Amino acid sequence: DQQVKQNSPSLSVQEGRISILNCDYTNSMFDYFLWYKKYPAEGPTFLISISSIKDKNEDGRFTVFLNKSAKHLSLHIVPSQPGDSAVYFCAASQQSNTGKLIFGQGTTLQVKP
Amino acid sequence: DGGITQSPKYLFRKEGQNVTLSCEQNLNHDAMYWYRQDPGQGLRLIYYSQIVNDFQKGDIAEGYSVSREKKESFPLTVTSAQKNPTAFYLCASSPGQGIFGNQPQHFGDGTRLSIL
Repeated sequence: DQQVKQNSPSLSVQEGRISILNCDYTNSMFDYFLWYKKYPAEGPTFLISISSIKDKNEDGRFTVFLNKSAKHLSLHIVPSQPGDSAVYFCAASQQSNTGKLIFGQGTTLQVKP
Repeated sequence: DGGITQSPKYLFRKEGQNVTLSCEQNLNHDAMYWYRQDPGQGLRLIYYSQIVNDFQKGDIAEGYSVSREKKESFPLTVTSAQKNPTAFYLCASSPGQGIFGNQPQHFGDGTRLSIL
């Protein structure tokens, strides 16, 4: 049972435009959500997170939106840069289930110059 | 610089052999984790440890074993009972939970294990 789903395996965006990556979850007990970026043959790098008490968190070019009623979160990258080309994973956890992250399958973002 | 070190980067195993993957962190983190990544899939949790001398099975623990004798170290052994061991293995750590609240996990650069 896939509790965290990223339904788009890939996304291609022109440099300077907005990239929107989506993630859906099924477990209403999740209360902390994260986005990671991963280059080939490297470990994931933490990008941004959001607690379930918020609906938006912003850090520079990256903004994460959380819609609890729809069990949906999204990552916006504005403006997109070629260096943003990577695989993006969303992850979710439940604070009472200490430390366990459930990851989505990942979305490969390609930003074209 | 603080971080997580995984070694080796590439590892080859003959059928029937056990192999041990190393993970060391100098971040003074209490919690450590092992994940497996297969092509086109997300990361799946193998084992995790919230404190020294304690660890719990994750979602796909069969064929794997771990130990946590020191705070800094969390080695993973892939045993001959693991029928499909070829994968990219990632180690992570985090400060822990409780009064610290939710904290992101920080990852090493991984070990790619292949069967000869």
